[in-house]
Amino acid sequence: DAGVTQSPTHLIKTRGQHVTLRCSPISGHKSVSWYQQVLGQGPQFIFQYYEKEERGRGNFPDRFSARQFPNYSSELNVNALLLGDSALYLCASSLEVLSYNEQFFGPGTRLTVL
Amino acid sequence: AQTVTQSQPEMSVQEAETVTLSCTYDTSESDYYLFWYKQPPSRQMILVIRQEAYKQQNATENRFSVNFQKAAKSFSLKISDSQLGDAAMYFCAAVYSNYQLIWGAGTKLIIKP
Repeated sequence: DAGVTQSPTHLIKTRGQHVTLRCSPISGHKSVSWYQQVLGQGPQFIFQYYEKEERGRGNFPDRFSARQFPNYSSELNVNALLLGDSALYLCASSLEVLSYNEQFFGPGTRLTVL
Repeated sequence: AQTVTQSQPEMSVQEAETVTLSCTYDTSESDYYLFWYKQPPSRQMILVIRQEAYKQQNATENRFSVNFQKAAKSFSLKISDSQLGDAAMYFCAAVYSNYQLIWGAGTKLIIKP
């Protein structure tokens, strides 16, 4: 079975632009979570979606938004990009909502904002 | 605020020896879940071991075990018989009732051959 996939793998944008990152969960997984990992730091929780509804939101500005589609894939959108948005964006899927369930991570999207 | 703290930015251990990575957390909740994740260089994050807070018995997965001290809010990871493939960043993380996964800053583990 395919693991969690993310696209694109790398992305270069300039300040003020917007970006859309995509994630396909493992087949059968209903929950998708998004994380931002700045170089040299631990991941920061951005969103969790379960059954197409937002179930958790981290401390990120409204420039960050996400959605989950009927096939459980997900998009993360970031508007008005800032230099500080440069990071590795990780997507993870799990069978159910975040709890004891193991999350499976994708390879991430490396976003560079110039 | 709910936090997870890893006080060791870097640890090194001789191959085949045992190493312990420290993690403390802060919460007023009684029910939560704790995890150790491994992130090898340029590779995907993978789960190492997990612990339910209501279980007193420490979790064990082959060479990996935890020392869970609920009163002290401590959740350390012990790696026995360290192998070169264990070299990675190790992250401690916790899930609370708000369905957020809170992460520590990570510990870089170096294995000396």
